[in-house]
Amino acid sequence: NAGVTQTPKFRILKIGQSMTLQCAQDMNHNYMYWYRQDPGMGLKLIYYSVGAGITDKGEVPNGYNVSRSTTEDFPLRLELAAPSQTSVYFCASGIFDSGELFFGEGSRLTVL
Amino acid sequence: AQSVTQLGSHVSVSEGALVLLRCNYSSSVPPYLFWYVQYPNQGLQLLLKYTSAATLVKGINGFEAEFKKSETSFHLTKPSAHMSDAAEYFCAVSESGGATNKLIFGTGTLLAVQP
Repeated sequence: NAGVTQTPKFRILKIGQSMTLQCAQDMNHNYMYWYRQDPGMGLKLIYYSVGAGITDKGEVPNGYNVSRSTTEDFPLRLELAAPSQTSVYFCASGIFDSGELFFGEGSRLTVL
Repeated sequence: AQSVTQLGSHVSVSEGALVLLRCNYSSSVPPYLFWYVQYPNQGLQLLLKYTSAATLVKGINGFEAEFKKSETSFHLTKPSAHMSDAAEYFCAVSESGGATNKLIFGTGTLLAVQP
């Protein structure tokens, strides 16, 4: 049972480039989330999804897009990368009203 | 709007000493409260959660937390620190029964354990 799998683990982008962070879960969870973690700031919610075909913005959605075509996958797209998007990105999944989220190991992104 | 405040971004204790990590919450509805732990270069793992049952919640690795509504607090404690407890700890809040299950995290407390 792999849980939540994120790829890539590390990536360096140039300003203006685009990329997609992949996230897959094998626990049949309906709820999936993308957070970014910056030093001293905790985790901030970027986007979330309560099921296939349903997504919504979190606290810090600007510069990102998501899609949820299947229960398992929840990719995060960065368009026109900026230095402010340098961060560690975590994908998580969970079930309704449990509050418990299962996190991937993170994707460290640097934009230069 | 919900929020959590963690007092102390860095806490240092000696091995065998009491661990106390502070968390205060703000919520207009009955909250669910959580403590997560993050070891270096890893994702977050759930330590324990409060979901309106017993106010004293026991978690993994000997940690526990007490929900105090009058003080809007949910402090994390462990009687005797171990070197392996060195990690970053995050308090989080969500709406009980909320349709989205979103967690709002605090800024984290980095725990160092000295030999």
